[in-house]
Amino acid sequence: DVKVTQSSRYLVKRTGEKVFLECVQDMDHENMFWYRQDPGLGLRLIYFSYDVKMKEKGDIPEGYSVSREKKERFSLILESASTNQTSMYLCASRRPGTVYEQYFGPGTRLTVT
Amino acid sequence: KNEVEQSPQNLTAQEGEFITINCSYSVGISALHWLQQHPGGGIVSLFMLSSGKKKHGRLIATINIQEKHSSLHITASHPRDSAVYICAVWNRDDKIIFGKGTRLHILP
Repeated sequence: DVKVTQSSRYLVKRTGEKVFLECVQDMDHENMFWYRQDPGLGLRLIYFSYDVKMKEKGDIPEGYSVSREKKERFSLILESASTNQTSMYLCASRRPGTVYEQYFGPGTRLTVT
Repeated sequence: KNEVEQSPQNLTAQEGEFITINCSYSVGISALHWLQQHPGGGIVSLFMLSSGKKKHGRLIATINIQEKHSSLHITASHPRDSAVYICAVWNRDDKIIFGKGTRLHILP
């Protein structure tokens, strides 16, 4: 059974804190993705990684960075959390190719106060 | 105009009704994906389509490539089908584009 896990389901942080969101997949997938989901806006791509040590900006990378040191782990970093980064964050992985499905983690609901 | 449009945005129906959710897109695609998100956030894949029709239990997904349209049908709907249903397309540049989702509520 394929599995994508995220380090926390719920997280509360203060403005200005550095925040790490971890995502781990056990499917040996090369591609991994970070999205945020907001009411009325749907899912938006923050960053993605085609393979270890690779990273590409998505549609809304500002205020975020990522790290992919190992194939199974993709970390999203909020360098200095702000209240407008309060959101649901979803990680996904995918085997490369144009017809393969994405597998999503359970999501982390982050609140920045 | 969004590249992926879903309709309706919200749908409330009685248990047992036949449900249809529509997805129209304006870009060339290599595949279309139907996803289900229950309260609590987790997203699961229902179907990946590049042509024709797929069926899994009470769920049926169809796609018409010429018309750039896909539908998700639920037969004999049940309250446990209540969720947000999301249409997503992979474009020819290998980028995924999501619709904003359809919130379905099935009343017992």
